[in-house]
Amino acid sequence: GAGVSQSPSNKVTEKGKDVELRCDPISGHTALYWYRQSLGQGLEFLIYFQGNSAPDKSGLPSDRFSAERTGGSVSTLTIQRTQQEDSAVYLCASSLMGPSYNEQFFGPGTRLTVL
Amino acid sequence: QQQVKQSPQSLIVQKGGISIINCAYENTAFDYFPWYQQFPGKGPALLIAIRPDVSEKKEGRFTISFNKSAKQFSLHIMDSQPGDSATYFCAASGGGTGNQFYFGTGTSLTVIP
Repeated sequence: GAGVSQSPSNKVTEKGKDVELRCDPISGHTALYWYRQSLGQGLEFLIYFQGNSAPDKSGLPSDRFSAERTGGSVSTLTIQRTQQEDSAVYLCASSLMGPSYNEQFFGPGTRLTVL
Repeated sequence: QQQVKQSPQSLIVQKGGISIINCAYENTAFDYFPWYQQFPGKGPALLIAIRPDVSEKKEGRFTISFNKSAKQFSLHIMDSQPGDSATYFCAASGGGTGNQFYFGTGTSLTVIP
């Protein structure tokens, strides 16, 4: 019955290192979104998973970013060779179905700091 | 091109006053317009949402006004309370526009006791 969970809550890494961010969506939700929220900015769409369909990767800012969703549940966002501009809060959201009329439930986010 | 434009960036309101946040969108195909409320350190949470077939939706102290011809919608918070102090995001999605929710840049609301 828990909501969307994300781990870690905070991550500090050095420039050039790889990081993995995890999202556990609400059970039964077929749609999963990743967003990036920079300080004082809105939410930037990164990637969308819907069931077993191919993910919509149109928001990924570079090929250093990738994500997977295993078994239609848990998702991992990986950032390779991190840069300082990657510092942001990464939010995951899930919804019962796709983008029309379906409420997104957000996790608390992972705050990534790249030194 | 920014699909959803939100204003103001920040807003200060006295307790008991009315808070008004405005959004404008570009794509007439959008068919779902939610507002999200975000407290510091938390993820956004759905506050209220509207579809384009109605001009107004009210839930408690929160009302969305929707103007389809002007491609604008706004959030009104009546009798604003200090506990309403948060960041508010409007968004638009659906209607075959793809899988994204297009978010505004957010409004930081402060309600002064």
